[in-house]
Amino acid sequence: KAGVTQTPRYLIKTRGQQVTLSCSPISGHRSVSWYQQTPGQGLQFLFEYFSETQRNKGNFPGRFSGRQFSNSRSEMNVSTLELGDSALYLCASSQGAGGNQPQHFGDGTRLSIL
Amino acid sequence: SQQGEEDPQALSIQEGENATMNCSYKTSINNLQWYRQNSGRGLVHLILIRSNEREKHSGRLRVTLDTSKKSSSLLITASRAADTASYFCALYNQGGKLIFGQGTELSVKP
Repeated sequence: KAGVTQTPRYLIKTRGQQVTLSCSPISGHRSVSWYQQTPGQGLQFLFEYFSETQRNKGNFPGRFSGRQFSNSRSEMNVSTLELGDSALYLCASSQGAGGNQPQHFGDGTRLSIL
Repeated sequence: SQQGEEDPQALSIQEGENATMNCSYKTSINNLQWYRQNSGRGLVHLILIRSNEREKHSGRLRVTLDTSKKSSSLLITASRAADTASYFCALYNQGGKLIFGQGTELSVKP
């Protein structure tokens, strides 16, 4: 089985721009979660989607949004980028909803804001 | 805060030695999970232990959970240089989110 695939792996943007990151979960997995990882704040939960519905949301501003498609693929969008948005964005998938089972992570998208 | 607190923040040992990492938390949980992250990569799931379990093993890994003390430990026996990575505990409360701790950086020297 192919693992979780995140694209692109690296991205450089400037302040004020917007960005869309993509995540393809493991086949058959219906839950996709997104995390932001920075040296200062560590791993922070952004949101979780299950069967195209947002199931949970972390404490991030409305500039961060996401969606899930009928094939379980997910995208997250960040608008009006700020320097502090520079981070590794990780996507994880699981068969069921929530954290009641192991999460399978992709290798992330490294976003740098200039 | 639901976040787990890991101890130590960094650990340096020689190959062949055992490594123990601890995770303490303050809220009730449904399960506690341990993950490994190699530099620049995604996280890899190691072990999930449910609140009604006390100990689980997987190869050279042993995880214990003490819900009365709200703490868990991860033991890696006979460590290898390839075990060098960051290790995270993550807490799950039914209906909630999977919340990760700050991690322990393990360095295993050949």
